[in-house]
This record gives sequence, structure tokens and C-alpha cells, in this order.
Amino acid sequence: GIQVEQSPPDLILQEGANSTLRCNFSDSVNNLQWFHQNPWGQLINLFYIPSGTKQNGRLSATTVATERYSLLYISSSQTTDSGVYFCAGFQGGSEKLVFGKGTKLTVNP
Amino acid sequence: DTGVSQNPRHKITKRGQNVTFRCDPISEHNRLYWYRQTLGQGPEFLTYFQNEAQLEKSRLLSDRFSAERPKGSFSTLEIQRTEQGDSAMYLCASSPGTGVGNTIYFGEGSWLTVV
Repeated sequence: GIQVEQSPPDLILQEGANSTLRCNFSDSVNNLQWFHQNPWGQLINLFYIPSGTKQNGRLSATTVATERYSLLYISSSQTTDSGVYFCAGFQGGSEKLVFGKGTKLTVNP
Repeated sequence: DTGVSQNPRHKITKRGQNVTFRCDPISEHNRLYWYRQTLGQGPEFLTYFQNEAQLEKSRLLSDRFSAERPKGSFSTLEIQRTEQGDSAMYLCASSPGTGVGNTIYFGEGSWLTVV
């Protein structure tokens, strides 16, 4: 079955709006990470968040490991936030990161 | 800290040719990973090194693919007898630490187009 599932697949926002991206993950996946892939393909690690809540500027993330989901919050979005956001987790205690299919975010000026 | 460096950034090759990609991880990161990403998909795991030892390999890594990390520093990924289905972005990543699960840092990727 699907190990890491992200929603929504696409999101279009007006600059300044807030958004929430969701990641559901199966029992075999843990130690969640959130990445942002910019239009040039660079994957930037946003958060390593196996559980709890972290904040970095306008971004914050919460993982509820017992309920197998994680949320990424983007506040006051900017056009530079555009790109694809991936969540990923390590599979079964191995070093294999399993990625979701991503949420494509477009922020319009 | 110069980040993970990958070369070449873009490669166009004819079907049947061999190609090699190089990855220089962040200094002193003992873990190095290779992933492959096709359009519209998330990255897929190919292989993982702890220092010079190749500890995990995906079944995606067919016998035409080989990866090495001879001195535990840089790594190479070679694809022999390329096929059109090999066209993708090949991503290298590194991480510090020894336990399971660490923050992973990706390079900018190497785009391969097989014509």
C-alpha cells in the first residue's frame, strides 16, 4: 500500500495567504522530513520532525506520530514559496527515505 | 560548508552509451545516498553508503548501474548501455550521524537525457 500520501496534490494561492499541507504515513515509515523543491530542481530540507512541532520563520511543521500524520504550515506566502513540497520518511529502520508524490504550490503575486 | 556538489549538472547521451555522475558530499558526512527522480514523481531511493561501504541497494539499481565510494568521500554513479527509460534527474545526498534517521541534504541533481 501507499506508504507516504500527500494532500492536496496542487495548491494555488494569492501572495499573503496561509496554507496547510498534509502528509499521512504508514506504520513502516518514521522520522519524517519536509523538503521544498524549487523550480530548478534543488531539494531543500525544511524540517526533520519525527514528532512534535518546529518553527522556522513563516514555516512550521507538526508531526503526530501516534496518528501517523504531519502538517506543514506556510503563513503569509510569498512567490518564492512556489515549488513542490515533499514529505518523506525512513522505511522500517533502514536508511531508505520514502517520498510522497508532493504538493505543487503556486503563489501568485 | 559548500553543500553537496554534483557533476555534470546536465548530460545528453545517445542510447547505448555509458555515463558517469560524480557526487561530493558535505565534508565529514559519512552517509551518502543516490536517488532518481522522474517528472511529476518524488525521488526514489537507489543506494546508500556508510563511509566506503555500500549498505543498501534498491531493486531499481539494475546490473547496468554501479555506484562506488572508494575512499569514503566522493561517489560515482555509472550507468552502462543507457536506455531511454534512464532519462531522469539523479540526486545525491549526504547526512551526518550514525543512528537511524538524520537530516538529509541534497545536491542540485544531475539531469540525464538519453536520446
